[in-house]
Formats: sequence, structure tokens, C-alpha cells
Amino acid sequence: QKEVEQNSGPLSVPEGAIASLNCTYSDRGSQSFFWYRQYSGKSPELIMSIYSNGDKEDGRFTAQLNKASQYVSLLIRDSQPSDSATYLCAVRGNNFNKFYFGSGTKLNVKP
Amino acid sequence: DTAVSQTPKYLVTQMGNDKSIKCEQNLGHDTMYWYKQDSKKFLKIMFSYNNKELIINETVPNRFSPKSPDKAHLNLHINSLELGDSAVYFCASSSSGRASGANVLTFGAGSRLTVL
Repeated sequence: QKEVEQNSGPLSVPEGAIASLNCTYSDRGSQSFFWYRQYSGKSPELIMSIYSNGDKEDGRFTAQLNKASQYVSLLIRDSQPSDSATYLCAVRGNNFNKFYFGSGTKLNVKP
Repeated sequence: DTAVSQTPKYLVTQMGNDKSIKCEQNLGHDTMYWYKQDSKKFLKIMFSYNNKELIINETVPNRFSPKSPDKAHLNLHINSLELGDSAVYFCASSSSGRASGANVLTFGAGSRLTVL
């Protein structure tokens, strides 16, 4: 079993819609959770971090964490074509220096 | 002013050759990493150094040898390159500690290695 699981997609949404990306993780001791965005041919860039149960909002992005269900999600409101990218879920476990990544969900936002 | 810089950006070489990738960060972080991203976009950790000490060494062939001369630099040397080594290698850095905001990974631009 992989430490972090994501649906590879592609997830296609029309412009202006809400995109919902999901991630599950296996290590119950995980401390911190991150969403990275990676455009084709570029490096991953951090868009959201979340450390406690509940929702965290930053502009059009909302991260949701449920540690009991070992589930993290990212909502993108008012999706734009520029949001089209691969979204990587990352989890920092008990070893504070070890980050595990999911295989990413490819998001296509159609104009 | 690039925070995490890697060289070279592209590397094309023949099977059996030896090659190196270099990484430098100017963020003042104390931990540096090498990740390998395959064609399916899966990012897999290979090595991590904290203050020049190797702290993570995943199941990687011993043809791969990392070196960290100081906490701002991390190099990766690969001997006897194989076709399966073709991937993008990302350097990343973070600051250690238990504070929730401390451990955020910042990535370099990546080094695309193609083995022919």
C-alpha cells in the first residue's frame, strides 16, 4: 500500500466550476499535509498547507483535513484554465524530515 | 534570486556513463533532499541530509551516491547509468523542527536525465 493515494484523473471541469481533489494517507501519525501544484515541465510549488482538522481557506483554495478518516482534500472555487496542472498531495509523517507524495491528480479546466 | 538551484537542467548521456547533478539553496534551510520523478509523475524520495548528515537513505541502488559538503549544497553522483535511471531529479530543501510552519519543502527546477 502506498503511503499517499490520489486518483490520477484527469479531472475535467468547466471554467468557473468547483474542482474537488482528494487524497488519503496510511500513516495515522502524520503531522502535516500539503498540496503542491505542478505545471507540465515545471517543479512542484506549494499552494496550501494544513495541520489540524477542519478547513483552511486561502483565496479560491480550501484545504480540508479529516485525521480520523485519514483524508485530505483541496477545493478550487471559480476554476480557471490557468489552474490546469497536476496537483500533488504530500504528507509529513512522524519522521519530520520525510515527506511522502501521492502520484498526483491531473486537472483540466475547460474554457 | 533563485532559492533552490540545480545544474544541469538537462542531461543526455549514454548507458554506462557516470554523471553528477549539483544543488544549492540560499534559504538558510538545514535539510536537503533528492527526489526522483518518473514518467507517471510519482515523486519518490531518495536521500535527505540534515546539516551535512545523511538521515534518509531509501532503497536506492548504490550506483547513486549523494554528498553534502555543507548544509547549503547537495550533490548526486550516478555511476554506470542505466536506461531506468531516466527521470527528472528534483532537489528540495526545508528547515527541520517541530513547528508546524517549519517543514515546508521548496523545490529546485529539476534536472531531466535521459539515458540512451
